[in-house]
Parts: sequence; structure tokens; C-alpha cells
Amino acid sequence: AQTVTQSQPEMSVQEAETVTLSCTYDTSESNYYLFWYKQPPSRQMILVIRQEAYKQQNATENRFSVNFQKAAKSFSLKISDSQLGDTAMYFCALRPPKDGETSGSRLTFGEGTQLTVNP
Amino acid sequence: EPEVTQTPSHQVTQMGQEVILRCVPISNHLYFYWYRQILGQKVEFLVSFYNNEISEKSEIFDDQFSVERPDGSNFTLKIRSTKLEDSAMYFCASTWGRNSYEQYFGPGTRLTVT
Repeated sequence: AQTVTQSQPEMSVQEAETVTLSCTYDTSESNYYLFWYKQPPSRQMILVIRQEAYKQQNATENRFSVNFQKAAKSFSLKISDSQLGDTAMYFCALRPPKDGETSGSRLTFGEGTQLTVNP
Repeated sequence: EPEVTQTPSHQVTQMGQEVILRCVPISNHLYFYWYRQILGQKVEFLVSFYNNEISEKSEIFDDQFSVERPDGSNFTLKIRSTKLEDSAMYFCASTWGRNSYEQYFGPGTRLTVT
């Protein structure tokens, strides 16, 4: 079984500052994919960033970067130069290996962290 | 940019009634999913669908639930006899291939069972 845990229900940050959202997970697989999804008030869930577990290099997408610690099963999201439009619910998610055996391609989500960027 | 759409945005129904939630996936996508999120809880996988059949389902997806792709564009989730505990946000998602990285999500349908 796979689990994903986000222990910060809510966070806030001042515009232009940096914030880090935490995520831990558990899986028995050696290879898998990790994602951060953003859900703004419009409710559309949007992929922010992804990380393949076999890659040691942390993924980066513009102002968004991750700190992937495979041994610790930790996958945090750092948002630099926060903008008002970053206000949203952020979900961490895990997916089984690419050639997923019995688990298929389902996503397992964390509880979410509501991020508010203040002007 | 193409996106997944869902209708209605909010559905209120009485316990025991049947509901159908509708989704229009992105047109060239082949894999379709339903997830749900009970208020205050995690987003949970319900079912995945490919080539006109269920490819995987969770323990939540019991005989009360069914999915269908009736006309090549819509993807529906039917709940035959709703229960209070079915109240949740239901998300549809689609992806081009089974091993594609990104599942594209719709905005969700809020189902309220009274």
C-alpha cells in the first residue's frame, strides 16, 4: 500500500518571499513518480512539477523546485518569489512505476496544504 | 488549451436517488479516471477506464458505482442509490497514455446527498 502525508493543512507567505510545503510518503516500490498539483479557487487541478524517483537531481520548473530525499521518503515543494496567483490548495501525489505491475496508474494523494500568499 | 470539463458543477440529490456525473475528457486522450474528495479528506482514486472497460478500481468503487463512455466523448460516473456518505467532490481526469506523466483534471462536481 502507498500513503502520502502532508502535515501542514494551511500555510501563508508574503508576496515575493519563499515558502516550502512538506510531503512525506511511503511505498514499497523502488521506482515511482511524485507530483505536486495545484488547485486554485477555480478548482481545476493543475500539475506544478513532477519527479521521477530514479533521478537524483531535484526537479525545477521556473519558481517551483523540489527537495527530493528518497531515503527519507520526503518530497517538499519550494516556491520562490511567491505571487498572489500562487494562492491555492497544493496536493502532493504518488504514482506507481511506469510499467506498473498491479498498482496501475492511479494517483495517491496527500491531504493537501492550503497556501495563501498575502500582499 | 484543451481541458477536461465536468457537469454539473454542483448536484443536490436525495438519499436513494440515482445520479449521473458527466465528464468530457480531452479529445485525444485514451485513459480516464474518477477520483473523489470527501470534505476535509484526501482525494481518493475510484476507477480507471480504457478501451471501453474498467482497467482498475478501488475498494470504494462497489456495485453502486458504474462508469460508461456512451458516445465517444462523454465519460460518466453513475451512482445507483446515493447514500449520505457519497457527498463529496468528484473529479474526472484523463491522460493520453497509461504511462503518461500528467493526468489532466476537470474542475470537479460537488455532490450533496440530503
